[in-house]
Amino acid sequence: EIVLTQSPATLSLSPGERATLSCRASQSVSSYLAWYQQKPGQAPRLLIYDASNRATGIPARFSGSGSGTDFTLTISSLEPEDFAVYYCQQRSNWRYTFGQGTKLEIK
Amino acid sequence: EVQLVESGGGLVQPGGSLRLSCAASGFTFSSYEMNWVRQAPGKGLEWVSYISSSGSTIYYADSVKGRFTISRDNAKNSLYLQMNSLRAEDTAVYYCARVGPMIGGAFDIWGQGTMVTVSS
Repeated sequence: EIVLTQSPATLSLSPGERATLSCRASQSVSSYLAWYQQKPGQAPRLLIYDASNRATGIPARFSGSGSGTDFTLTISSLEPEDFAVYYCQQRSNWRYTFGQGTKLEIK
Repeated sequence: EVQLVESGGGLVQPGGSLRLSCAASGFTFSSYEMNWVRQAPGKGLEWVSYISSSGSTIYYADSVKGRFTISRDNAKNSLYLQMNSLRAEDTAVYYCARVGPMIGGAFDIWGQGTMVTVSS
């Protein structure tokens, strides 16, 4: 099973600042890496697929990069609505795993 | 509107069974692969099971293999999860999620979730 490790566990920033979230895979997942945002009491929302492609309707301040085992989600300038939990996810032979999540909180 | 709506959650005793349903609308359900994902209270997301568009290919997480069964009825636009031999650690919100088209297997549409509580 491919394990995804996200860091940091918690990130404290202010609106307007840049956020950089990391996801590391225990073995290569090529570019089959997605990012999701989840707010309390809500279902996850797809942000990024194939490591670097924004999903429909996702603002341009969200960007993804990386391939193989190291991936990054960047939020260029935080808006108040961006404070949430973020998960990375990989697909390997149609078996999926999620990272443990990064909580982005207001400083 | 593209939508997934789960139902069937509730309180069940350890060792008991429950069947979850996910009703799809607003898209051609039979063309899409589907999954179940769960989230224990205060915890992260855990993938549970995958089913291909035709239902011919199925995968499970090791934690539920042999106890849970995923199925679908394309004529009824519905996805199911039969859960047997339930344990306390199966307590979670269960989401159904669609594999989006041409997006590397990512889940583009999620339901609102249904809560399953396993407790005596």
